[in-house]
Amino acid sequence: GNSVTQMEGPVTLSEEAFLTINCTYTATGYPSLFWYVQYPGEGLQLLLKATKADDKGSNKGFEATYRKETTSFHLEKGSVQVSDSAVYFCALKGDAGGTSYGKLTFGQGTILTVHP
Amino acid sequence: GAGVSQTPSNKVTEKGKYVELRCDPISGHTALYWYRQSLGQGPEFLIYFQGTGAADDSGLPNDRFFAVRPEGSVSTLKIQRTERGDSAVYLCASSQGGSSSYEQYFGPGTRLTVT
Repeated sequence: GNSVTQMEGPVTLSEEAFLTINCTYTATGYPSLFWYVQYPGEGLQLLLKATKADDKGSNKGFEATYRKETTSFHLEKGSVQVSDSAVYFCALKGDAGGTSYGKLTFGQGTILTVHP
Repeated sequence: GAGVSQTPSNKVTEKGKYVELRCDPISGHTALYWYRQSLGQGPEFLIYFQGTGAADDSGLPNDRFFAVRPEGSVSTLKIQRTERGDSAVYLCASSQGGSSSYEQYFGPGTRLTVT
């Protein structure tokens, strides 16, 4: 079945530092890939997505590129802010031809804390 | 507009009791999903509705768990004979359809504690 593996946290950075959170996946076919974020006290929100190989998703200064050859979708940001402190989840959705179409499969989450 | 809402926000119940968790999706969204999130883990899929029917219930852990969506809008997740291992945050999400073109919008969750 499908699975997502994220780098273990927590990750602690100083403001303006460079961020990478690694994500790799196992899936058949051509899944779509997502990063969700959960800010303290709030629900899950979509941060960015990519639906085919070599696509780059971007939002709020965050980027991730769908790499089929390495089955990866690493999240990056050039300069983090205190307000980026949250839990980040990598996820995939199976393609329309598969049995896992529709549902999201999540990684375990990475806690990011950014200090001033 | 209103987002996905879930009630109650917190539910404490005794082992062996029956509970119902409610989800009100965004108006007009035909797809509805239930997930379960244990502490320190990512959400795990339970069931997916397209309209009134369960398109995929492969994530329901056992026959104590059941979900309905009788009119294609509100959904109820029902858990019989609750066990301490059922304690988790239950998340509901809705989207305009099942394809990846449509974003899944998540509700705030119901925190279930079984004592």
